[in-house]
Amino acid sequence: DGGITQSPKYLFRKEGQNVTLSCEQNLNHDAMYWYRQDPGQGLRLIYYSQIVNDFQKGDIAEGYSVSREKKESFPLTVTSAQKNPTAFYLCASSIVADNQPQHFGDGTRLSIL
Amino acid sequence: AQSVTQLDSQVPVFEEAPVELRCNYSSSVSVYLFWYVQYPNQGLQLLLKYLSGSTLVESINGFEAEFNKSQTSFHLRKPSVHISDTAEYFCAVSDTGGFKTIFGAGTRLFVKA
Repeated sequence: DGGITQSPKYLFRKEGQNVTLSCEQNLNHDAMYWYRQDPGQGLRLIYYSQIVNDFQKGDIAEGYSVSREKKESFPLTVTSAQKNPTAFYLCASSIVADNQPQHFGDGTRLSIL
Repeated sequence: AQSVTQLDSQVPVFEEAPVELRCNYSSSVSVYLFWYVQYPNQGLQLLLKYLSGSTLVESINGFEAEFNKSQTSFHLRKPSVHISDTAEYFCAVSDTGGFKTIFGAGTRLFVKA
């Protein structure tokens, strides 16, 4: 079955450490997204990519970085510059069109030790 | 800028009772509208979408939503809820000709026995 796989499910970070969250899709979608979810705040867009080797900042990109070297993969790095990284991170993908829904992975929960 | 307002952060309801989850959006231009559902520790799943045509759209599990352009609303309804409907529900909108989807803050539906 096609879908989006995020790993790991749970991740712990020490102060000053960078961590990378994995997102892989086999839906053949060109567009991929990263969201951060905090209680009561809905989803906030971190980065998105419409095509390989190209990506754009979302609303809260500071302290995060991404790469898009392959169509199937869109890893997110949470850097030490992100001062409040504890959150639930969701990866999504879609066909590049304004009327297409997004397909989501099951998320990674990041916590600070 | 486009925005989405979900008027209730939490909605408790008894099993087999009707429910309405309210959603208003800000755009005055043509939009596409979506409702997603999120179960605990999972990603979002598409529940239903309005793209064009009939203003009443239905999902396979008994939910329906009505697009009201004059009131810029897209409320979600179900005539009789089940315990298994307990989840968080997100309203989302994208502009025609645009690319990004804007999500509301979510409404937590809690169905009591």
